[in-house]
Amino acid sequence: DAGVIQSPRHEVTEMGQEVTLRCKPISGHNSLFWYRQTMMRGLELLIYFNNNVPIDDSGMPEDRFSAKMPNASFSTLKIQPSEPRDSAVYFCASSGQGVEKLFFGSGTQLSVL
Amino acid sequence: GENVEQHPSTLSVQEGDSAVIKCTYSDSASNYFPWYKQELGKRPQLIIDIRSNVGEKKDQRIAVTLNKTAKHFSLHITETQPEDSAVYFCAANSGAGSYQLTFGKGTKLSVIP
Repeated sequence: DAGVIQSPRHEVTEMGQEVTLRCKPISGHNSLFWYRQTMMRGLELLIYFNNNVPIDDSGMPEDRFSAKMPNASFSTLKIQPSEPRDSAVYFCASSGQGVEKLFFGSGTQLSVL
Repeated sequence: GENVEQHPSTLSVQEGDSAVIKCTYSDSASNYFPWYKQELGKRPQLIIDIRSNVGEKKDQRIAVTLNKTAKHFSLHITETQPEDSAVYFCAANSGAGSYQLTFGKGTKLSVIP
């Protein structure tokens, strides 16, 4: 298995632009998580999907953030409009056992200028 | 919610020596405690985990111990090697069966050849 696949690896955009991050979980995993990592706040859970259904999005910082999982093999995290404070590494992770044995993707390094 | 404290924030050891990283948690209902290793610019990778019904777990040169009464758990790395240099994160779930993983702030381990 190729593991959790995220794209793009790097994204540089200007403030106000829309950003879409993509994730393909490991086949057979029914839990998908989006995390954000910054030096100041560490790893923060943004949203959790189980069987493609959003279970908890309380970590999504604002209405500018939205996430979808239209099927078991694809999820997106969208930021619109983007702001400089959104600059961070965004990780997608999946698991076949809820929160246990999480496998992380390589992350998307987002820079909003 | 769960609060996870991790220390030290940085740790330098000579190659061949042991390294110990400690974490405390606040939620007595937490029952799953993973450790992740993150090399510079890479994804967090699970290296070992322990459930609350076990006091200690070993995997080659790494071991984790858990003291439920004191609500703390530790990572032990023996015979350290330069490739062990990385940031290590502890985490705890927020209550039994919870999908919420709260991460510590990380420990940057440097193994000096």
